[in-house]
Amino acid sequence: DTAVSQTPKYLVTQMGNDKSIKCEQNLGHDTMYWYKQDSKKFLKIMFSYNNKELIINETVPNRFSPKSPDKAHLNLHINSLELGDSAVYFCASSLQGVRTEAFFGQGTRLTVV
Amino acid sequence: QQPVQSPQAVILREGEDAVINCSSSKALYSVHWYRQKHGEAPVFLMILLKGGEQKGHDKISASFNEKKQQSSLYLTASQLSYSGTYFCGTESAAGNKLTFGGGTRVLVKP
Repeated sequence: DTAVSQTPKYLVTQMGNDKSIKCEQNLGHDTMYWYKQDSKKFLKIMFSYNNKELIINETVPNRFSPKSPDKAHLNLHINSLELGDSAVYFCASSLQGVRTEAFFGQGTRLTVV
Repeated sequence: QQPVQSPQAVILREGEDAVINCSSSKALYSVHWYRQKHGEAPVFLMILLKGGEQKGHDKISASFNEKKQQSSLYLTASQLSYSGTYFCGTESAAGNKLTFGGGTRVLVKP
């Protein structure tokens, strides 16, 4: 039973398109995150939600919009995709905030062509 | 600001030991260590909170010196399964997010 699942695993799309990545956790955690890992493997926080409320919004372009319909789901919608958006996007969750262990989803490899 | 990890890469023979360091320019509340194998998600190893506590996970342990704003991860009697990229994530006293270092690639050979 997967703890944090995200779909799709791979996403290839053209510049200018809009796409979404879905994330669900069945751990009963309060906090969910989106991280971006670039081609050099740098792992960077994008957003953090606690009980459906946005608590961290790093300097991410407005084209990225997270949505948390409930505390078990955190989706990421990206408008007007650019080549530089190509990366692996990881969803993660933790019991309560950053000082608890984070469980990562398997990642979504986004390739913009 | 991103913590600095050193070394960037290390190659070990099975059974050898290694130390990975993580340094920050900011005061830290906690340090987290994760390991990521190629093509997989990062997996949690341990959290160290302010107080200089040393923690262990199998034969992997870590220390946190909050005065020096540094943490070290110790791989003891390395096993093939220890291969992967190790990331430290730091929580500065001012924030509630993790900032990850650039990673240390570890390859354990038979």
